[in-house]
Amino acid sequence: DSGVTQTPKHLITATGQRVTLRCSPRSGDLSVYWYQQSLDQGLQFLIQYYNGEERAKGNILERFSAQQFPDLHSELNLSSLELGDSALYFCASSLGQGVGSPLHFGNGTRLTVT
Amino acid sequence: AQSVTQLGSHVSVSEGALVLLRCNYSSSVPPYLFWYVQYPNQGLQLLLKYTTGATLVKGINGFEAEFKKSETSFHLTKPSAHMSDAAEYFCAVSERGQTGANNLFFGTGTRLTVIP
Repeated sequence: DSGVTQTPKHLITATGQRVTLRCSPRSGDLSVYWYQQSLDQGLQFLIQYYNGEERAKGNILERFSAQQFPDLHSELNLSSLELGDSALYFCASSLGQGVGSPLHFGNGTRLTVT
Repeated sequence: AQSVTQLGSHVSVSEGALVLLRCNYSSSVPPYLFWYVQYPNQGLQLLLKYTTGATLVKGINGFEAEFKKSETSFHLTKPSAHMSDAAEYFCAVSERGQTGANNLFFGTGTRLTVIP
């Protein structure tokens, strides 16, 4: 058990809809990361937050947004969903934001867009 | 920017045989390197990491990896495969982003099958 909690585990929704994925980091970790894993694109970094502030952006679409709250939990919002957004979305956390900090991953949310 | 290449998307070994999963990276600065393992329906779990110091790094479950700067490689090995090692393995490299953030780039993964 990594200590990172993601909810829900599964989500099925229709195209055009909006969903919110939630992540609670390990106790004490200040950094939260979001990744998308799909068969065709592999593991893609989306965005990172550190202590409530956005620190890095990866291949995150404009239809997607995220935030980290004062209690350090994070939410990833996906809107105007398309079939291609179907994927596993992982949250990870680390104690610091420095290079070399190992990430601890949750078990992911599997999103299916129909 | 960093990049990671994992040679072989699928590797099969017999139980008890040597496991060798290859990873090469590109970097203009000393890298921080990681191996993660993903079991079915689970998130990624850290196997081992290299930051500085000894180039042979030991991880969990009997795995180890050797950092070879001259070859820009960080191959993962295990002397004797066990059925429970069947999983997907990801090599990753970390670099400092412009904002000081920890940018972690993953390879495409290698699926290890262990044949009884």
